[in-house]
Amino acid sequence: GENVEQHPSTLSVQEGDSAVIKCTYSDSASNYFPWYKQELGKGPQLIIDIRSNVGEKKDQRIAVTLNKTAKHFSLHITETQPEDSAVYFCAASNQAGTALIFGKGTTLSVSS
Amino acid sequence: DAGVIQSPRHEVTEMGQEVTLRCKPISGHNSLFWYRQTMMRGLELLIYFNNNVPIDDSGMPEDRFSAKMPNASFSTLKIQPSEPRDSAVYFCASRGQGADEQYFGPGTRLTVT
Repeated sequence: GENVEQHPSTLSVQEGDSAVIKCTYSDSASNYFPWYKQELGKGPQLIIDIRSNVGEKKDQRIAVTLNKTAKHFSLHITETQPEDSAVYFCAASNQAGTALIFGKGTTLSVSS
Repeated sequence: DAGVIQSPRHEVTEMGQEVTLRCKPISGHNSLFWYRQTMMRGLELLIYFNNNVPIDDSGMPEDRFSAKMPNASFSTLKIQPSEPRDSAVYFCASRGQGADEQYFGPGTRLTVT
């Protein structure tokens, strides 16, 4: 079945710097790749997603890139702010497209 | 527009007791997912319903766990009997028909002593 690896597990940056989180997946049939942000005591919140027919998608300070050949995708956050501090999860759809397989998460800390 | 609603938000119970977690999906969504989150194993899918029918329950850890969806606006996850290793945060998520996006509820933090 699908397996999703996420790196790094922790990331500390200074306010204004960029942050990059990378994920790899195993199932070439996966076609949907969302990113979630989870703040302490809350449920995961969908922040951006990308489908396999697109190589890059951007939404203000957040962008996601997808390389289907290499089976990896990345989240890029520019001009980071303290409120970006949270745990970020990548995910990939399973072969049936019915469920999501999640990475283990990256704890991002943005210091001012 | 209300998101996914879960209750209770926190549950503390003793080993051996029955625990019931509840979820109300976003109105109009026809798929519902139960996940469990722990430090060791991350976010794991337990069971997935489509149009109130369980489609994939391969993630349910053992027979002590059961889930139902009697109608489109309500689902329960029951653990009987509960054990300390069941302590985790349990999330419910829902998805609209034909959509890919899943929306999560705030979760139920379960502690079994």
